[in-house]
Amino acid sequence: NAGVTQTPKFQVLKTGQSMTLQCAQDMNHNSMYWYRQDPGMGLRLIYYSASEGTTDKGEVPNGYNVSRLNKREFSLRLESAAPSQTSVYFCASSDRVQNNYGYTFGSGTRLTVV
Amino acid sequence: EDQVTQSPEALRLQEGESSSLNCSYTVSGLRGLFWYRQDPGKGPEFLFTLYSAGEEKEKERLKATLTKKESFLHITAPKPEDSATYLCAVQRNYGGSQGNLIFGKGTKLSVKP
Repeated sequence: NAGVTQTPKFQVLKTGQSMTLQCAQDMNHNSMYWYRQDPGMGLRLIYYSASEGTTDKGEVPNGYNVSRLNKREFSLRLESAAPSQTSVYFCASSDRVQNNYGYTFGSGTRLTVV
Repeated sequence: EDQVTQSPEALRLQEGESSSLNCSYTVSGLRGLFWYRQDPGKGPEFLFTLYSAGEEKEKERLKATLTKKESFLHITAPKPEDSATYLCAVQRNYGGSQGNLIFGKGTKLSVKP
């Protein structure tokens, strides 16, 4: 009964370093999403995957790449981290057909870029 | 432009003091409106979905209502454990990227004993 699992929970990077945030869901949802949440800005969509094999840009995609590895897993990669990418990152999933419950969110990754 | 505005940004209540949170929206074609609760250090947790004007949903001390322009989250006799940030989101009645949720910035509720 895990829902959406994100790893790691915390990460500190130096400017220019790269890293991949991992996300997996066990609810057989078709759609998955990556958001960032900053104080005063709310949740902003970075990338989403409507179904396995497809990915699309959201509101703030610059500096990020994603991979929909299979139906369960959706990863977010920062190729060259910048201080502006310091944020809390949330992965979410949904059943885009039923969608009675909106999105199910993971517990987040708190990323600091120094 | 489609948007979601929540007010107030922050609300401080005494235990037992009932109040309401507002979510106003402008969207061309509403498929659904969602309320979430977010505790510090955690991801948003689903509360309610509302689909049409006049609809109401209840859960414990919370009741959500929907009109054509806004939604209210009424909190009756709140307790300290109701302290959290409450997020509102709308889903447009379109396919593709237009069907993604648009979130408001949230209302941070603090309930003092």
